[in-house]
Amino acid sequence: DGGITQSPKYLFRKEGQNVTLSCEQNLNHDAMYWYRQDPGQGLRLIYYSQIVNDFQKGDIAEGYSVSREKKESFPLTVTSAQKNPTAFYLCASESGELFFGEGSRLTVL
Amino acid sequence: EDQVTQSPEALRLQEGESSSLNCSYTVSGLRGLFWYRQDPGKGPEFLFTLYSAGEEKEKERLKATLTKKESFLHITAPKPEDSATYLCAVHSNRDDKIIFGKGTRLHILP
Repeated sequence: DGGITQSPKYLFRKEGQNVTLSCEQNLNHDAMYWYRQDPGQGLRLIYYSQIVNDFQKGDIAEGYSVSREKKESFPLTVTSAQKNPTAFYLCASESGELFFGEGSRLTVL
Repeated sequence: EDQVTQSPEALRLQEGESSSLNCSYTVSGLRGLFWYRQDPGKGPEFLFTLYSAGEEKEKERLKATLTKKESFLHITAPKPEDSATYLCAVHSNRDDKIIFGKGTRLHILP
């Protein structure tokens, strides 16, 4: 089945550690997006990519990094510089509309 | 700066009681306006895309409309299974950003 696969679904991290969230798509879409969602909030844009080897900062990029070496993959690294990383992270690919994965819930202990 | 504002933040309705959710937006060139439904702990589920003022789309009990400044999601005779958070987003022509509002939490009482 075509879709977006995010892993892991749940992740726990100690303060000061970097963590990488995986996002893979088999929809053959050029554009991919990463969002962060906090309780009671909408989705805030972290990074997005329109094409392989190119990406742009969203509204809350500080403390995050991404790469886009393959069309199918758009991993997000939450670095130790991110002050409040506990959140629900959503990846999506876009072809006229956004197709979302099931999300990754990161908890910093 | 592009912006999306949704109202109300939360809405409780009796089963069968019709109502509307509002999405006001400012964007530098609208490529599309989206409505999504989100259940707790899940990724958003696509409902509609609207592209130009005057456009309307329907799906079951939901109908979305668009003007140059806002969009409405009308829900007719809702059922408890329609309870969810409804999200509105705009896709900018200028920089390809897709930004979301904070959503409306809808609760339908049986």
